[in-house]
Amino acid sequence: TQLLEQSPQFLSIQEGENLTVYCNSSSVFSSLQWYRQEPGEGPVLLVTVVTGGEVKKLKRLTFQFGDARKDSSLHITAAQPGDTGLYLCAGGYAGGTSYGKLTFGQGTILTVHP
Amino acid sequence: DVKVTQSSRYLVKRTGEKVFLECVQDMDHENMFWYRQDPGLGLRLIYFSYDVKMKEKGDIPEGYSVSREKKERFSLILESASTNQTSMYLCASSLFIFGTRVKETQYFGPGTRLLVL
Repeated sequence: TQLLEQSPQFLSIQEGENLTVYCNSSSVFSSLQWYRQEPGEGPVLLVTVVTGGEVKKLKRLTFQFGDARKDSSLHITAAQPGDTGLYLCAGGYAGGTSYGKLTFGQGTILTVHP
Repeated sequence: DVKVTQSSRYLVKRTGEKVFLECVQDMDHENMFWYRQDPGLGLRLIYFSYDVKMKEKGDIPEGYSVSREKKERFSLILESASTNQTSMYLCASSLFIFGTRVKETQYFGPGTRLLVL
């Protein structure tokens, strides 16, 4: 089983601060996805990156895929209370027998205080 | 709009009971997945299915079985529930795209929080 180490596990910050969440592995993934989960709901996809070195921006969120496709980061600029939630990274595999399986990191619980 | 539904949001069962968790998707997806989610452990794959009547073990299949008789429905069965199976159970589905390095977005249901006493 390929592992994804996500850090930090908990993040508590004030509104307006910046933060970065990291997702690292010793394995290569064909894609890296970031999900956000709110209490009582299932995870919802934020973004997918598929090319080494790729950077994607979603408003105040910036996602990066490492050059070797083994790691990824999520950076939030000027965090707002609405960003509060559980953030999960997930690595995908190419190949006919992968069947769309994903390996998930442990998750980062982000709390943004007003 | 994409929709994955799970039969129950909350469930309380006793040790030794047989438990059925149902998941239905309306997107005609080939792949369906069952995960359990525990604090600090992320999502761990229990079983997945890539076609009707086809199933594969995930990382933690012990104590669980699954059934997929129809494409839209994927059931998780706890043969004899135990207290260490108290958890949040999440079902997901995704489209099968063979042979491409394509993002396989998984769409999740709201989860079933199971308590085994």
